[in-house]
Order: sequence, then C-alpha cells, then structure tokens
Amino acid sequence: EVQLVESGGGLVQPGGSLRLSCAASGFTFSSYWMSWVRQAPGKGLEWVANIKQDGSEKYYVDSVKGRFTISRDNAKNSLYLQMNSLRAEDTAVYYCARMRFGHYGDYWGQGTLVTVSS
Amino acid sequence: QSVLTQPPSVSGAPGQRVTISCTGSSSNIGAGYDVHWYQQLPGTAPKLLIYGNSNRPSGVPDRFSGSKSGTSASLAISGLQAEDEADYYCQSYDSSLSGSVFGGGTKLTVL
Repeated sequence: EVQLVESGGGLVQPGGSLRLSCAASGFTFSSYWMSWVRQAPGKGLEWVANIKQDGSEKYYVDSVKGRFTISRDNAKNSLYLQMNSLRAEDTAVYYCARMRFGHYGDYWGQGTLVTVSS
Repeated sequence: QSVLTQPPSVSGAPGQRVTISCTGSSSNIGAGYDVHWYQQLPGTAPKLLIYGNSNRPSGVPDRFSGSKSGTSASLAISGLQAEDEADYYCQSYDSSLSGSVFGGGTKLTVL
C-alpha cells in the first residue's frame, strides 16, 4: 500500500525557518517525481515545487523561489522541503504527492500545517 | 487569482447530473497538456478523480467523467449522491511557469 506521511509543520515566526519531511512507503520511491502542494486556510490548492527522481531537476512556483528548497534522500525514501524567510502568506497545509507522467499526483499524504505568525 | 478558472460553486439534486468547467489558456490546456481532476472531502487530502483528461483511477465510479476541448475541460458527475458533496479541483501543466497549475476549486452542494 502506497503511503506518504508528512511531518515537521508547526508555528514559526515571520522570517523563521522550518524543514518539512515526507516519508514514503509501499512503492519504489526512487522511480517517481515528487511534489509539494500547499493549501492556505479556506483557499485552493497551489503547487509549490517538483523534484525529479534523482534530484537533478527541481522546479518552484515563483513565490517561493530563493526561499524554499526541495530535496530528497532515496536511500531513506524521504522527501524534504526546507523553508526559509517564512512569511504570513506561507501559512498553509503542505501536502507531498507522488507524481505520474503527465504531471498529476496519484497519491497524496495527509498534510502538515505550517503557521507563520508572531 | 488562479491560472485555471472554475466556477466557485455548483449544485444539484440527488440523481441529477452536474458539470464543472475548467478554462485555461494557450500555455496550459490549449498547449495540449492534460487536465486532471481531484476531489477533496472536508478536512481530507485531495484524491485523484480523473487523470489524462478522461481516465478514471481504479475505484472511482463511472458516474464521474472528464473531457477536454481546446483551452477548456469539464468534469461531469451523473447520478448525484450526497457523498459527492466536496470541493473539486482541475489541474494541468503550464509551460510558461514550468510547473503545475490548479483551478480555484468548485464547491459541489447536493441539495
């Protein structure tokens, strides 16, 4: 059974940092692109970042470029999102998703809440 | 403002058929990129409903169907059931943004 479990969310002050993790199981993690998608409270879904199977290609939405870094450790079956210089508008539930050819997520984690507030 | 445009809400009575539209542009849907649909029940993660414009993952009832034409796509739900009440999102890829884009979401109310 495919499982994606996010962790690392919490309350952080503006300008602070957080590192999110996504533990994958039930599939060959190293064979798939992975993504982070977020959802602000009461709002819609927003794609944040993608990473290729071997980590050699990474793409970001403009609003997080230079502040967020997506990475992965295939030996640990884990996906990460390092978030620096956090802003109030980064407050959201962050989901990791397994991506399929055609740029869609076929499995999603349950999400982890990040709250940026003083 | 979302790159893909969906109606904020739709509604229908049990047993009826509803459609949800998703309008894009020449850099996403109109460029030939596939459209995918997700269902999000309250308080839960999104669930893949339709992929590749019209394909249903295993376990998704055939009451759900998708189509695409030009710069737009549609999700149709027939035989509405109370359990279909949820938020629905379309998604595609945008070449000018080099990333995925979502619609703003449509809240389906079953009357």
